[in-house]
Amino acid sequence: KNEVEQSPQNLTAQEGEFITINCSYSVGISALHWLQQHPGGGIVSLFMLSSGKKKHGRLIATINIQEKHSSLHITASHPRDSAVYICAVAGWYGGATNKLIFGTGTLLAVQP
Amino acid sequence: NAGVMQNPRHLVRRRGQEARLRCSPMKGHSHVYWYRQLPEEGLKFMVYLQKENIIDESGMPKERFSAEFPKEGPSILRIQQVVRGDSAAYFCASSPETGGVEQFFGPGTRLTVL
Repeated sequence: KNEVEQSPQNLTAQEGEFITINCSYSVGISALHWLQQHPGGGIVSLFMLSSGKKKHGRLIATINIQEKHSSLHITASHPRDSAVYICAVAGWYGGATNKLIFGTGTLLAVQP
Repeated sequence: NAGVMQNPRHLVRRRGQEARLRCSPMKGHSHVYWYRQLPEEGLKFMVYLQKENIIDESGMPKERFSAEFPKEGPSILRIQQVVRGDSAAYFCASSPETGGVEQFFGPGTRLTVL
């Protein structure tokens, strides 16, 4: 079983829909990241969370440390949101390193 | 403040050649992580370096791969005698402090081995 699991793996939505991507992890963490990657493109960091909730524009990220679960929400989705969304956790290794463990990503396609 | 820079962005090598990938961290950052994304697979940690030190290389293949981060200049990921299975996107990320959880990603180097 992967240490970081994302669902769904693929998601197709109509423009304007509310989207939720889920991430569950099984290790102790110091932080959780949500990343965005366009096909063939670089990686953009959307959020870094260690507790609670963060909002940036139409994007909202939440984390429940007790349940080891995080969600990424996109409100009023738009075709330009089409990308792969990746959940990554910085595992707790006593502070010496915060190498990231990645989920397999969620491929989102928003249709006009 | 320039972001993390990687070069080259695309690199083509024939089997048996050497590949050198460079990563210049953000200004003021002295910690670099290298990650690899194989085709149709997720990202995987390779190595974590501070200036002049390798801190964690638990994700590095045992042979042909090496990394350094000298006192001056960029971090280098070196792959000797490349094989087709080395074809992947290689990303580096930099962080400003020891154990810093915030990492800033470079644009990646896409290596193709013919």
